[in-house]
Amino acid sequence: DIQMTQSPSSVSASVGDRVTITCRASQDISRWLAWYQQKPGKAPKLLIFAASTLQSGVPSRFSGSGSGTDFTLTISSLQPEDFATYYCQQADSFPFTFGPGTKVDIK
Amino acid sequence: QVQLQESGPGLVKPSETLSLTCTVSDDSISTYYWSWVRQPPGKGLEWIGYIYNSGSTNYNPSLKSRVTMSLDTSKNQFSLKLRSVTAADTAMYYCARIGGVFGSGWSYYYGMDVWGQGTTVTVSS
Repeated sequence: DIQMTQSPSSVSASVGDRVTITCRASQDISRWLAWYQQKPGKAPKLLIFAASTLQSGVPSRFSGSGSGTDFTLTISSLQPEDFATYYCQQADSFPFTFGPGTKVDIK
Repeated sequence: QVQLQESGPGLVKPSETLSLTCTVSDDSISTYYWSWVRQPPGKGLEWIGYIYNSGSTNYNPSLKSRVTMSLDTSKNQFSLKLRSVTAADTAMYYCARIGGVFGSGWSYYYGMDVWGQGTTVTVSS
C-alpha cells in the first residue's frame, strides 16, 4: 500500500492568512492526488483532484501543486468557513489511502 | 446533482455482520465506480473498497477477508457487508462515488467526488 503523510498535523491561523499544507506519498503517484475538506459531523468534500484541478464550485483561494511524491495545498486567504480538517488521498493505485489529516483552527 | 444516502442498522453485535446500503438518486449507478469509506470516532479516513457496474470489486487488503460489496442496478443501490465485526469496526460509514475518466481497459481516478451524509455504526453487545 502507498503510505501518505501530512504536515503539519494542525495549524492555527487567522482570517486572511495564507495556509500551506504538505502531503507526501511513499512512492511516485504522478499527479494522482486529491484533497478533501471535512467539517465536524459532515462528509468529506472533494476540493482538488489530479493534484491541481479545482473541483467545480470550489473557491479559487484553494490551490494545489506537486507531482511524484510531494504535494501542497494552499489556501491563499483563509476565510471563516475554511476552518476544518484537510486530508490528502492518493488515487494512483488501489487501495486508495488517505493522509492522517491537518486540522486548521482559529488562532 | 446526484445524491447518495446510506441506510442500515446503527447497532451491530460483536461477531455479527454489518450490512449497509447506499441509494443513488439517479440512474448513473451503471456508469461509475462506487466506494465505501469509514471513519472511526475522532480518527482519519479509511477506504474500504469499490464496486463497479459488472460487479467487479476491489477491497482494501486490511478488510478483504471480511468484506463483500454488491450492486443492484434495478434499485440504484449498492451494498456493503462486513462480517465478524468487533469494536474496532465502530465508525461513521460513508458511501461515495469515484470520479474519473474511464475507458475500455484503462481508468484515471480523480478521487471521491460525491459522498453520502454518512451513517454511524456502533459495534456493541
